[in-house]
Amino acid sequence: EAGVTQFPSHSVIEKGQTVTLRCDPISGHDNLYWYRRVMGKEIKFLLHFVKESKQDESGMPNNRFLAERTGGTYSTLKVQPAELEDSGVYFCASSPAGTISYNEQFFGPGTRLTVL
Amino acid sequence: AQSVTQLDSHVSVSEGTPVLLRCNYSSSYSPSLFWYVQHPNKGLQLLLKYTSAATLVKGINGFEAEFKKSETSFHLTKPSAHMSDAAEYFCVVSRSYNTDKLIFGTGTRLQVFP
Repeated sequence: EAGVTQFPSHSVIEKGQTVTLRCDPISGHDNLYWYRRVMGKEIKFLLHFVKESKQDESGMPNNRFLAERTGGTYSTLKVQPAELEDSGVYFCASSPAGTISYNEQFFGPGTRLTVL
Repeated sequence: AQSVTQLDSHVSVSEGTPVLLRCNYSSSYSPSLFWYVQHPNKGLQLLLKYTSAATLVKGINGFEAEFKKSETSFHLTKPSAHMSDAAEYFCVVSRSYNTDKLIFGTGTRLQVFP
């Protein structure tokens, strides 16, 4: 069974440009999460989808970030326009249906974003 | 509010010696606690989880952790380190209801010397 995949693995863009990150969760997983690790800091929650609905987007830093999950399958995270402080590693995770907290979240390898 | 503190940013051990990675948590609710590991260029992998059942939790690759409510600790241990254990380890807490948002510690990088 394929795990969580993320594309691209690396992205280098200039300040002011737009970048779109993609996450493909494990097939059949209703829950999809985005997290981010800024250099030197801890991994922080961004948002949580249940199917195509946003369950919790309390971690989204500002309105330059837009996440979508049309059809409840893959998700995209767009940053527009990108700023220097957006650099970091963006992780996606998925888990099966239900909101029981001890469900394991399966993580992808992350997308390393560098904004110059 | 919930939080975790990983007390060591780096730990170095010799192969074959015990591993201890320390984690303290703060939670207003009954927490679920996890340890995740990240090897270079790989995704985060779950090592073990505590969900209010047994306080001594056994995970993969010989790791285990003990939930101590009185000390608010969830330290990760392994009796004998292997070179393949070199990685970054994250202590994680989640709320026990509502959403599954995970709250991560800052990570502990484990080095294993031959």
